[in-house]
Amino acid sequence: DAGVTQSPTHLIKTRGQQVTLRCSPKSGHDTVSWYQQALGQGPQFIFQYYEEEERQRGNFPDRFSGHQFPNYSSELNVNALLLGDSALYLCASTHWAKNIQYFGAGTRLSVL
Amino acid sequence: EDQVTQSPEALRLQEGESSSLNCSYTVSGLRGLFWYRQDPGKGPEFLFTLYSAGEEKEKERLKATLTKKESFLHITAPKPEDSATYLCAVQLNTGNQFYFGTGTSLTVIP
Repeated sequence: DAGVTQSPTHLIKTRGQQVTLRCSPKSGHDTVSWYQQALGQGPQFIFQYYEEEERQRGNFPDRFSGHQFPNYSSELNVNALLLGDSALYLCASTHWAKNIQYFGAGTRLSVL
Repeated sequence: EDQVTQSPEALRLQEGESSSLNCSYTVSGLRGLFWYRQDPGKGPEFLFTLYSAGEEKEKERLKATLTKKESFLHITAPKPEDSATYLCAVQLNTGNQFYFGTGTSLTVIP
């Protein structure tokens, strides 16, 4: 049983560019959440998708947007990249009726 | 304001030297408290979830406990492979998002 998979594993971008990160949830899961983890910090919640809609959002600007597809996979888009967007981006999946979140290995984004 | 604080930030133990990690929380309404283990460059790995004060969960050398204000992760006779960052997260009863602490970096020396 494949767990949560994320792609790519690493990404290097320059300031002002746009980036798209991808996530496939664990089998049987229908809800996807995205987190940003800066070095030495705990993950910070960006937003959560269920039934192809954004259900909840953390304290992140509109430059961060997302999408969920009918197969429950999800994308995180970040526009107008800033140096401070450099972080590990984590995807977590769960079933809407349950509350344990399972994490992928993350995408390491470096903004130069 | 909802807050999760973990202590200590870092902990070095000799192999076999038992200790405890602390997670204190101030939240409006707790739905659940979660412990995760994170190895360098990897995503958090689920360990335990606790829902009510007095609850305890155990797995190998790890035991998690919960009170109304804090949770402890007890590590008994740790081994070098227990070295990792341990993250605590709370889930509020108003939504599904997790609020994480900054973690405790544990190093177990052979």
